Amino acid sequence: AQSVTQLDSQVPVFEEAPVELRCNYSSSVSVYLFWYVQYPNQGLQLLLKYLSGSTLVESINGFEAEFNKSQTSFHLRKPSVHISDTAEYFCAVKYAGGTSYGKLTFGQGTILTVHP
Amino acid sequence: DSGVTQTPKHLITATGQRVTLRCSPRSGDLSVYWYQQSLDQGLQFLIQYYNGEERAKGNILERFSAQQFPDLHSELNLSSLELGDSALYFCASSVGPSENYEQYFGPGTRLTVT
Repeated sequence: AQSVTQLDSQVPVFEEAPVELRCNYSSSVSVYLFWYVQYPNQGLQLLLKYLSGSTLVESINGFEAEFNKSQTSFHLRKPSVHISDTAEYFCAVKYAGGTSYGKLTFGQGTILTVHP
Repeated sequence: DSGVTQTPKHLITATGQRVTLRCSPRSGDLSVYWYQQSLDQGLQFLIQYYNGEERAKGNILERFSAQQFPDLHSELNLSSLELGDSALYFCASSVGPSENYEQYFGPGTRLTVT
């Protein structure tokens, strides 16, 4: 079965510290990988995506994620977090082929709390 | 603002009732997806439509149904509501139906069943 595992349900960090949010997915021949962010009482916003090409992808606000096929992982990192990064982060996967079409399979989410 | 609109924002209703959630996709998007976000199940895919046709089904209960109309807006109908149906329901849209198209999410409808 297709599944996505976010290894940490909550990650507290201090402002300006680095952070890594971990994501692993069940193996498949071809996948497309996404990180979404959800601020309190808001919808999901796409943070970054891996479709093909370079395994390191970056967002405009300093986050980056690396696709590691052998480890079936897509961990999200930021070298220095801000208070405004406090939100819930979801890793999501689209599995190519079969009857998956465009559906996203989400992890359980990681709540990132940045303390001053 | 993603360009996807959902109404209503909040809905409070009683067990056994029926409700309809509405979604308007981004201009130009032909595919609509419905997801349910609950505390115990997380974010789960319910159903997908593309240009009026059902394309994929996920963990959607038989009490739930959906459709996409000729103007491409979509409705999710939830009937015989139970307390466990309380959740945030998201609609997303994309240009095409398959995996290489990015999905844009609406703000969601929060359903509370009392």
